[in-house]
Amino acid sequence: NAGVTQTPKFRVLKTGQSMTLLCAQDMNHEYMYWYRQDPGMGLRLIHYSVGEGTTAKGEVPDGYNVSRLKKQNFLLGLESAAPSQTSVYFCASRGQGYGYTFGSGTRLTVV
Amino acid sequence: DAKTTQPTSMDCAEGRAANLPCNHSTISGNEYVYWYRQIHSQGPQYIIHGLKNNETNEMASLIITEDRKSSTLILPHATLRDTAVYYCIVAAYNAGNMLTFGGGTRLMVKP
Repeated sequence: NAGVTQTPKFRVLKTGQSMTLLCAQDMNHEYMYWYRQDPGMGLRLIHYSVGEGTTAKGEVPDGYNVSRLKKQNFLLGLESAAPSQTSVYFCASRGQGYGYTFGSGTRLTVV
Repeated sequence: DAKTTQPTSMDCAEGRAANLPCNHSTISGNEYVYWYRQIHSQGPQYIIHGLKNNETNEMASLIITEDRKSSTLILPHATLRDTAVYYCIVAAYNAGNMLTFGGGTRLMVKP
């Protein structure tokens, strides 16, 4: 079942804890993206990658780090979680076509 | 700065055509118009895109004005499952092709 898989789907963190969100795609897409969506808002770009071994900052990169060691995986890390990072995180990928394929999201709560 | 302007919400009767407008008066010559939708809390779903010609696929039609300053997404026979937030996005097709999501239009299809 081709697509974008995000793990975990849900997570509750305490302030100051760290975690890594995993995004995996099996479509051999070059481009991958991490977005966050706060309640009632549109998606905002955190970081993106245009190929294996590359990453770049998006609109709201502070407090996050990313890595793209393998083409199919894009990891989003939170080194020291804060309540302001409570959000739904979406990963997306794109090949040479025009449309993004999004994952189903990770719902993160920081208490 | 928002590149697009969309109504906050719209209603449509089931079985009727849903016409969702979008203004993008500052669109550049190399920017495409993309439409995505987000059903409930799922990841956004690609619908259609266009540069300057009208486009149609199995999901919808996209009508772009001749001056490219506005467009309309048409769902020809709306169903209850089309209830969603619809995002109109303008972006250039390049290596990064970052999509900037605004607030979108919340379409409610009613029986």
